[in-house]
Amino acid sequence: SQKIEQNSEALNIQEGKTATLTCNYTNYSPAYLQWYRQDPGRGPVFLLLIRENEKEKRKERLKVTFDTTLKQSLFHITASQPADSATYLCALDRVNTGNQFYFGTGTSLTVIP
Amino acid sequence: DGGITQSPKYLFRKEGQNVTLSCEQNLNHDAMYWYRQDPGQGLRLIYYSQIVNDFQKGDIAEGYSVSREKKESFPLTVTSAQKNPTAFYLCASSKWTSGRAGEQYFGPGTRLTVT
Repeated sequence: SQKIEQNSEALNIQEGKTATLTCNYTNYSPAYLQWYRQDPGRGPVFLLLIRENEKEKRKERLKVTFDTTLKQSLFHITASQPADSATYLCALDRVNTGNQFYFGTGTSLTVIP
Repeated sequence: DGGITQSPKYLFRKEGQNVTLSCEQNLNHDAMYWYRQDPGQGLRLIYYSQIVNDFQKGDIAEGYSVSREKKESFPLTVTSAQKNPTAFYLCASSKWTSGRAGEQYFGPGTRLTVT
């Protein structure tokens, strides 16, 4: 069955550094992948979407890569700020459906001032 | 101001009672979803609906029921048959473009506690 893994439960980095979060998947080939931010006690907020034929996508300080050979997506936040502290979720569309998604368990990021 | 609303934010019920969680969107999205989130686990899909009067079970539909009588509304009922109903429930919606759902817009969630 399809499986999604996100790297280590918690990631702590110093303000100004680049945070890199990982999303690995197995047993299928998604058509696209999304990243969301979730703050405690709130619903996730969409950040970026990348399609299988795209290698990289950028939005301001955010960058997402999608390596379909490695079955991995990397999510980068450059020049990180304490306000970037949150949990980040990756989501992949399900095979043979256009309307359902698998979500990873998320990586908790803390940016230390 | 467009978005998704869920009510209430916190809900407490006694075991054995059914409870209905509200979800309304004014984004004119066709697709709506219900997820459950437990500590240490990803969002798990309970039910989803692509159009009015049609909905499908997700991965953990047992003990839940939904209706989609209006495009804007997708209420979720947690029945007494759900063995572990205490959780954070999230409703979402998305556009439907070229046969695929796009990014998901989430509501603020309802935290249900059953004792």
